[in-house]
Amino acid sequence: DTEVTQTPKHLVMGMTNKKSLKCEQHMGHRAMYWYKQKAKKPPELMFVYSYEKLSINESVPSRFSPECPNSSLLNLHLHALQPEDSALYLCASSQDDRGLPQHFGDGTRLSIL
Amino acid sequence: EDKVVQSPLSLVVHEGDTVTLNCSYEVTNFRSLLWYKQEKKAPTFLFMLTSSGIEKKSGRLSSILDKKELFSILNITATQTGDSAVYLCAVGYPPQGGSEKLVFGKGTKLTVNP
Repeated sequence: DTEVTQTPKHLVMGMTNKKSLKCEQHMGHRAMYWYKQKAKKPPELMFVYSYEKLSINESVPSRFSPECPNSSLLNLHLHALQPEDSALYLCASSQDDRGLPQHFGDGTRLSIL
Repeated sequence: EDKVVQSPLSLVVHEGDTVTLNCSYEVTNFRSLLWYKQEKKAPTFLFMLTSSGIEKKSGRLSSILDKKELFSILNITATQTGDSAVYLCAVGYPPQGGSEKLVFGKGTKLTVNP
């Protein structure tokens, strides 16, 4: 088990559904990240939050909406997703946005019907 | 365009063999190079390298960085079946001086047969 906890572990949703992915860390880290990983591909950065403020958005479609309610929590709100959005969504955290390494959660495996 | 290239993409060995995985990079404002091991779920951190020529070691794993030639290697000695995984190389850099980003290579899939 990792120190970054993601829920749910698996999610199946239709293209019209609204759902949220959750990520939590209690390491006192002030930077949190969302990555998308397709099968047999490396993780690709989606968003970076630094001190609860969005600092990087890698031109992600608006059907993905991140939220950082506090320094321990990171959400990813999903709406009107497409089948090609099916992937493993990984959350990571680091001491701050200049600090490495990033520590990853186990991910949420998302399937869009 | 910034890029990280790993080789080989796939490797099959027998238990007890020694393997060397390669990672080369072309990244502006390079800050660090990281190695991760990914089995079925989370990438697990192995090493972070920032200085040339200094070997980092953990048990049977070791890694070194050459900032002049822009590459790193990950060595695994006396391989075991539990070493079977995808090994990811990532380079950390701050685009435009902002938050640090990680750019990953495609990974090397290592299979260790008994």
